[in-house]
Amino acid sequence: NAGVTQTPKFRVLKTGQSMTLLCAQDMNHEYMYWYRQDPGMGLRLIHYSVGEGTTAKGEVPDGYNVSRLKKQNFLLGLESAAPSQTSVYFCASSYSGLANTQYFGPGTRLTVL
Amino acid sequence: GNSVTQMEGPVTLSEEAFLTINCTYTATGYPSLFWYVQYPGEGLQLLLKATKADDKGSNKGFEATYRKETTSFHLEKGSVQVSDSAVYFCALRNSGNTPLVFGKGTRLSVIA
Repeated sequence: NAGVTQTPKFRVLKTGQSMTLLCAQDMNHEYMYWYRQDPGMGLRLIHYSVGEGTTAKGEVPDGYNVSRLKKQNFLLGLESAAPSQTSVYFCASSYSGLANTQYFGPGTRLTVL
Repeated sequence: GNSVTQMEGPVTLSEEAFLTINCTYTATGYPSLFWYVQYPGEGLQLLLKATKADDKGSNKGFEATYRKETTSFHLEKGSVQVSDSAVYFCALRNSGNTPLVFGKGTRLSVIA
């Protein structure tokens, strides 16, 4: 049981390049989330999904797209990277329910030059 | 809306000192409350939680009590260790199908 995994762990992009971050979970969770973490800003929700084939915007969705084609995977895309997207990205998953725990992946450190 | 406010860090303590990290929340209804911990270079992991008023969550010597009258969920530990150095996040969820709302985190450094 690997929990929540993220690939890649590190990436450096040039402004304007595109990339996709992959999140996978093996806990059969319905819900999946993408956050970014910046110094002094805590965790900010980018997009989330309440089930296969569904996505919803979070607090800071601009510049990102997501897809949930399979229940176990949640992809975060940057179509045209900007330096403001330099951050650490965390994926999480959970069951629905008021008291259920969100499980986090180890993070992806992205630098946009 | 829903929000969480926690004390600004960083907090630096000597080993065996008493720890309190304050957390207050704004929410309608009856949210569940959580403390998550992030060790250096890792993702967040659940430390403890409480789902109704007056519940006490506890784990690894940490405790927090859900106080509805003061809308607070302060984290405490009687004797911190160097290994407790981490960033601590308070969070709430106000309904079963919404994501967690996080505070900005409090960095704790414990020195020997």
